[in-house]
Amino acid sequence: DAKTTQPTSMDCAEGRAANLPCNHSTISGNEYVYWYRQIHSQGPQYIIHGLKNNETNEMASLIITEDRKSSTLILPHATLRDTAVYYCIVRGRESGGYQKVTFGTGTKLQVIP
Amino acid sequence: GAGVSQSPSNKVTEKGKDVELRCDPISGHTALYWYRQRLGQGLEFLIYFQGNSAPDKSGLPSDRFSAERTGESVSTLTIQRTQQEDSAVYLCASSFQAGDGDTQYFGPGTRLTVL
Repeated sequence: DAKTTQPTSMDCAEGRAANLPCNHSTISGNEYVYWYRQIHSQGPQYIIHGLKNNETNEMASLIITEDRKSSTLILPHATLRDTAVYYCIVRGRESGGYQKVTFGTGTKLQVIP
Repeated sequence: GAGVSQSPSNKVTEKGKDVELRCDPISGHTALYWYRQRLGQGLEFLIYFQGNSAPDKSGLPSDRFSAERTGESVSTLTIQRTQQEDSAVYLCASSFQAGDGDTQYFGPGTRLTVL
């Protein structure tokens, strides 16, 4: 059972910012928030991850609320190639390694020309 | 550098046959994961290898499924007596587990079709 909840689908106009929300209200102190995306017929692709602070890289920004119970992935200028399913997962470290990951059904983002 | 590779990319088999799927992780990655993805659904965890520790097999759906990994290299997922419900894309991922998290890098998957 996934530890995160995401909207099933979202639309975004090309060139606009896409803001994808994720709720993880049961997150524990040592668990990271990860975002992956899966473009049709390909393996999932890592986007970004964070623990407490907001993070930014060349692909996206990750905003984590102060209580860490939710986060938002921001694609600043969505392009048609960003159309994909976006997965938000949480994962932490236990003795002997990391917890197994459970992917939910993700958010299907459709970028519209 | 090379990413995670999987072979074959596609496999069509008859019900009742055994199949072997192969995963070559990124060199130096200590952790390796297998997932299954049925059409239109999310990723379903199957098994997780971490270094020399005993694998986490908690996601394997039945005793027809097994996986092996040689050291920190190649892994093979075996499905015995395949059933039509085994049809799915089987994804492999590897990671170099570090204190700042565990980023998984996925292969392209093997699409298994059981007739």
